[in-house]
Amino acid sequence: ELKVEQNPLFLSMQEGKNYTIYCNYSTTSDRLYWYRQDPGKSLESLFVLLSNGAVKQEGRLMASLDTKARLSTLHITAAVHDLSATYFCAVDRDDKIIFGKGTRLHILP
Amino acid sequence: EADIYQTPRYLVIGTGKKITLECSQTMGHDKMYWYQQDPGMELHLIHYSYGVNSTEKGDLSSESTVSRIRTEHFPLTLESARPSHTSQYLCASSESGRLLNEQFFGPGTRLTVL
Repeated sequence: ELKVEQNPLFLSMQEGKNYTIYCNYSTTSDRLYWYRQDPGKSLESLFVLLSNGAVKQEGRLMASLDTKARLSTLHITAAVHDLSATYFCAVDRDDKIIFGKGTRLHILP
Repeated sequence: EADIYQTPRYLVIGTGKKITLECSQTMGHDKMYWYQQDPGMELHLIHYSYGVNSTEKGDLSSESTVSRIRTEHFPLTLESARPSHTSQYLCASSESGRLLNEQFFGPGTRLTVL
């Protein structure tokens, strides 16, 4: 059974700091996704990672994938308040996407 | 503009009512999905479809039903709503055969059953 685990589940941090969210998954997968969700809103796609060693960056967010370790990271550089949201990682299984529980990120001004 | 739509956005109804949540997409995607999400919690797949006349149950048992008569339309129906159905329902779509297989989400329907 494919399981996706994120940690931490809750994170409160100061503006300007760096931090990393981790996503582990239990079996091989074709793709890894990162989504953002603002409170009361829907999900917005951030990154899709396909291969071992893949790295993608958008602004202050950078995602990477290590398929051998079955691990993806979402790194936040010099956090700003606008990045406060819940971040989900997800992986493919038989054309269905399995989501982690999400990391609720709160950035303090 | 290609997009995915859900109506209503908010719905408050009484126990025992029949309701249909609408989902439509104009992206020409063949695959569509329904997720249930309690506030601040993970998403649970409740139904999916790979094309017209194709529907499957997801990982989370649900008393709802779906239909896929047209490619762009994937409504979800609750025959008799109960308070335990109170949740947010998110519809998504994707296109098979694409390298990224990325799912695009609608704005969601927040359902409250009294």
